[in-house]
Amino acid sequence: DAKTTQPPSMDCAEGRAANLPCNHSTISGNEYVYWYRQIHSQGPQYIIHGLKNNETNEMASLIITEDRKSSTLILPHATLRDTAVYYCIVRANSGNTPLVFGKGTRLSVIA
Amino acid sequence: DGGITQSPKYLFRKEGQNVTLSCEQNLNHDAMYWYRQDPGQGLRLIYYSQIVNDFQKGDIAEGYSVSREKKESFPLTVTSAQKNPTAFYLCASTTGGSGANVLTFGAGSRLTVL
Repeated sequence: DAKTTQPPSMDCAEGRAANLPCNHSTISGNEYVYWYRQIHSQGPQYIIHGLKNNETNEMASLIITEDRKSSTLILPHATLRDTAVYYCIVRANSGNTPLVFGKGTRLSVIA
Repeated sequence: DGGITQSPKYLFRKEGQNVTLSCEQNLNHDAMYWYRQDPGQGLRLIYYSQIVNDFQKGDIAEGYSVSREKKESFPLTVTSAQKNPTAFYLCASTTGGSGANVLTFGAGSRLTVL
């Protein structure tokens, strides 16, 4: 699996867009980018994933650069409830081995 | 509603005692996982099972044991051989194939050794 690099922490003002970056310069052609988040003392929650096209769902948008070496998770209007640790993971879509969760980015949404 | 139920949510144990953490899912998922999380750290894989009656060790299996007798259930036993068992334990499940990387997690069990 390709290695990912995320900043350890970020702040965002409530109501503003939160843009969380992830570098994955060694990503392979068949590997997807997955995002999860973990609110304090809860289990992680799947957010979104993509291969090369930008993706959007009710929770967030995922922007993947054309060379696929980095991506950005966008929370368009951050709320206090979005305060969490966000994990970026790169995996082939049908991987048979478990996901590896690094330390992620701790996002603090500030009122 | 479908989901994963972990119990108990909080558990206290004396040193030298074995404890079993329950994980039950009604999602009809084939694969189940146990992760451990220490404060400020990411998740570390303890054991996983991709099919009934089969399981594999993860990165930190020493001092832990599991069973997978039913598709819905994947209990984790923390034995007295685990040197530092105080942690937050998370169970997850997923379908196979193209959905294998979309995990559903339980709410977690927090174990404290006194």
